[in-house]
Order: sequence, then C-alpha cells, then structure tokens
Amino acid sequence: TQLLEQSPQFLSIQEGENLTVYCNSSSVFSSLQWYRQEPGEGPVLLVTVVTGGEVKKLKRLTFQFGDARKDSSLHITAAQPGDTGLYLCAGALSINSGYALNFGKGTSLLVTP
Amino acid sequence: NAGVTQTPKFQVLKTGQSMTLQCAQDMNHNSMYWYRQDPGMGLRLIYYSASEGTTDKGEVPNGYNVSRLNKREFSLRLESAAPSQTSVYFCASSELSYEQYFGPGTRLTVT
Repeated sequence: TQLLEQSPQFLSIQEGENLTVYCNSSSVFSSLQWYRQEPGEGPVLLVTVVTGGEVKKLKRLTFQFGDARKDSSLHITAAQPGDTGLYLCAGALSINSGYALNFGKGTSLLVTP
Repeated sequence: NAGVTQTPKFQVLKTGQSMTLQCAQDMNHNSMYWYRQDPGMGLRLIYYSASEGTTDKGEVPNGYNVSRLNKREFSLRLESAAPSQTSVYFCASSELSYEQYFGPGTRLTVT
C-alpha cells in the first residue's frame, strides 16, 4: 500500500528555473527521507527530516517537513542539468526491530540547458 | 568502500526457471531489504531482515523466498519465475535506523 503521494509526476524545466516537488500523506511518519535516482542506478539518500516543521538545506536544495509530520516538500533553486533524475520521498514506519520505508512513486525531473 | 553490491546486473529467464539474486554489504549493517521497482509503481518492499537470523515479509512477498546467509549477505530466490516478476530489483541495508543504502540493482526480464 502506497501511503505517499508525490506531485508532480513529471517536470520538465529549463536551466536556472526554480521548482518545488511535494510529498503528501494522511499518515504520520517517524521521519521522511528524500532520495535521488539516476537511470540505471539505485536511489541515493539526499536528506532525512525528523522533526515537524524542520527545514534542511543542501546547497541549492531545501527540504521541509510538515508540522504534523505527514508531508514534505523539496525546493530546488536555479536548477541545473545535473539535477535531472527521479526524486523519491520515503516515510519511515516502525516494524519489528527497525523501520520499513514506504516510498512515493517519484517525480521525474528533466532540466534542459 | 563498495557499499552494497548486487549480482547479476542483468538476467533474462524463461517462465518457470529459477534463479537467486545475490546481495552483499560491507558497512556492517544489521538490517537488509529487497525491493522491486516497476514503472508507475515506485519501490515496493518484498522481504526484509531486521537482523542476522530473521526475515519477514514485506508488501509483495508472493513468489519469492529469501535467505540471510550471514550479516553481510541477503539473497532473493525466485523458484518459478513468471512474467509478472519482470522488474528491477534493489537490495538495501541500514543500521537500525531508517536511512537505507541501496545497491545498483538487477534488471530481470522473464519471457
């Protein structure tokens, strides 16, 4: 069961533009993570947000966790072609002796020069 | 540091054939996971192993079996492959926390 809804599903922009990707759920998560996946490779962890209202910055990427820990957003400033990829959000749910991740379907981003 | 490695990278099977996907991690992580990724479906958990000696079903376990061979290795077996199992399979590991590290994937086609 997919608990996380990501929007938009596809995004094509030009270099230099700003964009925001959303990740929404009706469930509360222990934490929420953002991964980036390039074609032919596995997802790579970008950031983890744990506290409601938390904001984290990674160079031109800004991640925010909703106050109620049900949603998150990823904002990219001045996008570059190297930002192209599939962005996945994942919510952590407690399971036996650990956590399972519930992934959204992803936002496919294409940045053209 | 290799991180998480998976073999093979590509595989083509005929319906009914069996195969084992191998995964190994060198980060001394306790937990390991198997996911499948299909277009429009995202990543779905097949099986996981919270620690050496334990395995549990995930969201889509039917048609698969797993073995946690030791702390480093976690294998996924398809006993009788079906076209519906055509997918990209990812192994991941984590150290009790929610931050998972993924391998490069195995691209499986079942004809």
